[in-house]
Amino acid sequence: QSALTQPASVSGSPGQSITISCTGTSSDVGGYNFVSWYQQHPGKAPKLMIYEVSNRPSGVSIRFSGTKSGNTASLTISGLQAEDEADYYCSSYTSNAGVFGTGTRVTVL
Amino acid sequence: QVHLVESGGGVVQPGRSLRLSCAASEFSFSSYGMHWVRQAPGKGLEWVSVIWYDGSYKYYADSVKGRFTISRDNAKNTLYLQMNSLRAEDTAVYYCAASGYWGQGTLVTVSS
Repeated sequence: QSALTQPASVSGSPGQSITISCTGTSSDVGGYNFVSWYQQHPGKAPKLMIYEVSNRPSGVSIRFSGTKSGNTASLTISGLQAEDEADYYCSSYTSNAGVFGTGTRVTVL
Repeated sequence: QVHLVESGGGVVQPGRSLRLSCAASEFSFSSYGMHWVRQAPGKGLEWVSVIWYDGSYKYYADSVKGRFTISRDNAKNTLYLQMNSLRAEDTAVYYCAASGYWGQGTLVTVSS
């Protein structure tokens, strides 16, 4: 149950696009299409942004998109806005358990 | 609107026990698997446990296996986490979650 690997930080200017990677193994990310992405602002509960690799829950901006290739999933935020500054976590199903990524701090310059 | 409300957190000495609850409302509780996820102060999210919608299957992270027990009462729309033999490293905000919905968390502090 090792954590999925994410970059510690990613930054971008308003209006730019950024991509956060989430690398696992064939036992988690690569083995199932059950990758989710969460946004967490300080002191708040996580918010689901993407589920099952690329699906957006109702109410989540179309600026957020998810993909997967092999053992790596990615979250892209297009048209970066100040409100996007937060921590982002990926998660994956893995053999009767769950696993989260190490987390990425997104900074809007 | 779906509400998940955790309770039962607090300060507890190492080696002691605590039981967390998660009350669900406006949610088809008995239809969904339920998770506990925790977050130590200043750290990332850690998956703790899951229970199937009917309670038939339960799985745990290695870090809590043998010490924590997840359970549910579908008649009361409530999820539980019994935490025994608590350690300092169990100090965290504990969230219940399901189908993308999360509670606001309850803080557990293990300290002498």
